[in-house]
Amino acid sequence: DQQVKQNSPSLSVQEGRISILNCDYTNSMFDYFLWYKKYPAEGPTFLISISSIKDKNEDGRFTVFLNKSAKHLSLHIVPSQPGDSAVYFCAARDNYGQNFVFGPGTRLSVLP
Amino acid sequence: KAGVTQTPRYLIKTRGQQVTLSCSPISGHRSVSWYQQTPGQGLQFLFEYFSETQRNKGNFPGRFSGRQFSNSRSEMNVSTLELGDSALYLCASSLAAGVNEQFFGPGTRLTVL
Repeated sequence: DQQVKQNSPSLSVQEGRISILNCDYTNSMFDYFLWYKKYPAEGPTFLISISSIKDKNEDGRFTVFLNKSAKHLSLHIVPSQPGDSAVYFCAARDNYGQNFVFGPGTRLSVLP
Repeated sequence: KAGVTQTPRYLIKTRGQQVTLSCSPISGHRSVSWYQQTPGQGLQFLFEYFSETQRNKGNFPGRFSGRQFSNSRSEMNVSTLELGDSALYLCASSLAAGVNEQFFGPGTRLTVL
């Protein structure tokens, strides 16, 4: 039973447009969420995070939105660039500071 | 500052064998976590070590074990390998247990034939 879901295995976006990656979770004890980006043959790299006390966190072109009532978060990339093409993982951590739970990932392709 | 290093990068084993993977965290980091990544499954948490103690364990059989040394380096062992153990094994380090930002190594690609 997946506690963190990323229902879109892949997404294609034109360069310069907005990329929106979605993530849903089932465990209401999760209180910290992170997005990681992974290129082939490399480990995931931390991108941006959000605490459950916030509903938005912005860092440059990347913005994460959290809707706690819907147990949904999304990552917006504006404008999308070809270098953003990677697999994006959503991860969550519960308020006991236990292990991270990762989603299965969404492969983003930004087309020039 | 050097990143997280994992050795070896690639391994091929046969069913029934055992394997040991190694992870060296970023200097100063004391927490090491291990993950298994398989196609379509995302990253599944194996265990976390902090100060040479296993702090948390995921839902994996006892064939998967690990340990951490006094210099924070960690090893993961899988005994009696099965075909389904073929995966990318990732190690991540963080300053301390419970710290939210983890830094991942490049992984060890294990193939079980």
